[in-house]
Formats: sequence, structure tokens, C-alpha cells
Amino acid sequence: EPEVTQTPSHQVTQMGQEVILRCVPISNHLYFYWYRQILGQKVEFLVSFYNNEISEKSEIFDDQFSVERPDGSNFTLKIRSTKLEDSAMYFCASKGGQVYNEQFFGPGTRLTVL
Amino acid sequence: GQQVMQIPQYQHVQEGEDFTTYCNSSTTLSNIQWYKQRPGGHPVFLIQLVKSGEVKKQKRLTFQFGEAKKNSSLHITATQTTDVGTYFCAGRRTSYDKVIFGPGTSLSVIP
Repeated sequence: EPEVTQTPSHQVTQMGQEVILRCVPISNHLYFYWYRQILGQKVEFLVSFYNNEISEKSEIFDDQFSVERPDGSNFTLKIRSTKLEDSAMYFCASKGGQVYNEQFFGPGTRLTVL
Repeated sequence: GQQVMQIPQYQHVQEGEDFTTYCNSSTTLSNIQWYKQRPGGHPVFLIQLVKSGEVKKQKRLTFQFGEAKKNSSLHITATQTTDVGTYFCAGRRTSYDKVIFGPGTSLSVIP
């Protein structure tokens, strides 16, 4: 069964450093998402991406964040200068065309900022 | 902005007991989705409800969407230990809107 994959599974970084979280969505999917989940809290929407551009972003997704789809398979989330409060689980998700509204989540990357 | 609330926050049940979690939105929703997240896992899509008053069943799980499309519920009959996890509802105001997740209900099942 096709699945969303994410790397790395755990990333530890120093405050102020840049991190890139990588995702490989399901191959024929068109919509891509990043969510974050602070430990023990709810899943928070960060950004959606369609047709090679951001379609929507939340207030969390400020200038420190950026997304890219550098090739036909990868979807990345970059945090330019990490802060302690960026420590969270980051989930990538993808879905097919609009009529197929099920989002498939990846296993997540746990980001720890020291 | 749009808010999605869920109650209860936690529920501990004896295996075999029923369980219900309720989801309420501050705005009318286009559709609502339910996800389950096992401890240490990622959200897994369970179902989507679109129509006012819709009821859907998946084995022991029953999902309802309110008539006003502002609330929803998930009911599990005769819980099993495999039901343990956090159940999130997630709603969107239009088909094109972002999905807003509720805070989740964490279910513990005592064998």
C-alpha cells in the first residue's frame, strides 16, 4: 500500500540553526500539507501546497518557514532559524484530487531544538 | 477565527464499555473528518461526513454529523484495547479551506 514517508525520524538541532524536514508524498497525489503537533497537544495546520505553490498557510507559518517541492517526489519544510518553541512533531500529509478528501499522514519527524 | 472543540479531553473506560466523543465547531462546516492517533503514531483517517444529519458506521464505530453541520460525534460500542488512542475531529468551512483539528479525546481502555 502506498504511504507517505518522512526523513529524518528525529532531528536534534541548536537554537538558531536551519533545519530541513523532508517528505515523499504518495506518488499520484496533488495536494501536500505540513502539520505540527507539540507533545500532548492537538495537530496544527501549517501550510498547504498545490500546483507548485502555497495555497494556504496558518499564522504559525511565518517568515521563518518555507516549503519547496524541488523535484517530482520530495516536499520539504525549511525552518530558517529554529527557536525552542519549534520543538514538535512535524507531519507531512498528501491527498489526491479534491474528490478524494482523505489525507494520508507520514510517520512524522520529531524536531528537538536545544 | 474558526474553532473546533472536543469533549471530553480524556476518557478511561473498562473494556466492553461504550465510549463517545463530541466535536463542536464555532462555524458551520462543509465537512468533518475523524482521525485516530495511536500513542507515538501519526493521525490515521477514519471517515469523512459531508451531509447534514449524516450517520455512518464502521463496525463498532458510529459517526454522526449534526443537522446544523456544526457538531459531530463518534461512538464506539463495546470498546476493546485496540481502540486506545486519541480521536481527533477535523473540520473545514469549505471544500477549499484548511482543515482545523480539534484538541482530541484521549481514550484509555482498561482490560
